[in-house]
Amino acid sequence: QQQVKQSPQSLIVQKGGISIINCAYENTAFDYFPWYQQFPGKGPALLIAIRPDVSEKKEGRFTISFNKSAKQFSLHIMDSQPGDSATYFCAASKQTGANNLFFGTGTRLTVIP
Amino acid sequence: GAGVSQSPRYKVAKRGQDVALRCDPISGHVSLFWYQQALGQGPEFLTYFQNEAQLDKSGLPSDRFFAERPEGSVSTLKIQRTQQEDSAVYLCASSLPPNTGELFFGEGSRLTVL
Repeated sequence: QQQVKQSPQSLIVQKGGISIINCAYENTAFDYFPWYQQFPGKGPALLIAIRPDVSEKKEGRFTISFNKSAKQFSLHIMDSQPGDSATYFCAASKQTGANNLFFGTGTRLTVIP
Repeated sequence: GAGVSQSPRYKVAKRGQDVALRCDPISGHVSLFWYQQALGQGPEFLTYFQNEAQLDKSGLPSDRFFAERPEGSVSTLKIQRTQQEDSAVYLCASSLPPNTGELFFGEGSRLTVL
């Protein structure tokens, strides 16, 4: 059973456009929501993360929006660049005990020049 | 380098062979995780260590999978009698003590079972 559901599966955006990826979760015990970026042949790397006490977090061109009541969160990439082309995974974990991450199925983003 | 190191990067095994995958975490990282990533999918949790103690192995798909971290540093994931469905990238990640959140991943070991 997928604990974190992610959409879309793939996304094509023009350079300079906004990329939006959405995720939803069911387990209300989750209290940490990171986004990971993965390039081909590499391991995932943390991009940005949010905890449920805030509704939005922005780091440069990357913003997470978090809706606790709807159990949804999304990643917005502003001014998308060809170098942003990668697979993006949302994830969730519980910070008590083991902090193993439950990942979404990924979104392959392609930014065309 | 200072990152998580995994070896081998690529492994081809015949069905029925045993394989061993190694992970060398970032120095000082207490927590170590193994994940399995099938082609086109997100990583799926296999097992978790805190120092040498294996605290959660609920994600191991069968008793053919075994992981150890005897001295609380390097870890080995062993798969016995490999099957074609074991073909995947096996990712190792480490982190500081709980509550920091971030997992640091290695580049993975790609296993292909023929």
